[in-house]
Amino acid sequence: QKEVEQDPGPLSVPEGAIVSLNCTYSNSAFQYFMWYRQYSRKGPELLMYTYSSGNKEDGRFTAQVDKSSKYISLFIRDSQPSDSATYLCAMSLYNQGGKLIFGQGTELSVKP
Amino acid sequence: DAGVIQSPRHEVTEMGQEVTLRCKPISGHNSLFWYRQTMMRGLELLIYFNNNVPIDDSGMPEDRFSAKMPNASFSTLKIQPSEPRDSAVYFCASSPASAADGYTFGSGTRLTVV
Repeated sequence: QKEVEQDPGPLSVPEGAIVSLNCTYSNSAFQYFMWYRQYSRKGPELLMYTYSSGNKEDGRFTAQVDKSSKYISLFIRDSQPSDSATYLCAMSLYNQGGKLIFGQGTELSVKP
Repeated sequence: DAGVIQSPRHEVTEMGQEVTLRCKPISGHNSLFWYRQTMMRGLELLIYFNNNVPIDDSGMPEDRFSAKMPNASFSTLKIQPSEPRDSAVYFCASSPASAADGYTFGSGTRLTVV
């Protein structure tokens, strides 16, 4: 079993839809949770960062962490064609100098 | 800041040849990571360095893979001899002290071994 599980999709939605992306994990010691966005033929870039449980909102994006269920989510409101990319969840045990474990990534396509 | 710089962008080589991938991290970043990305396995951590010292190389698939970081501004990942199953996109990333700042990834090296 992988440490971090993520449905690879692909996921296709119409413009304006609410998108929900999810990951589950097995290591309860993870403390730091991130979402990265990767456009085609580019490196991943940090989108959202959350420490421990709770919600964090940034514009149209909301990251949610439920440590009791070992489940994290990313919600995208009013999705745009420019949101079409692969979204990767990532998590770490430590704040400093620690390695990130990534999910497989979910490919999202937002149709105009 | 130019970001994390990787070279070459693309590499096509024949099976059995030596391949060297290069990375220049962002100045001031303490940690450097080498990842490999494939459709089947996603992003896999190969090795990472803190302050130029290798910390965890458990992801290096075989002895054919080696990585060095001779100074804070340069790292190499070498595959010798290369095999077709090594074909993938190899990413280098660097990170400052805090995970909250995230990793900054390079644009990757797309390696094809024929």
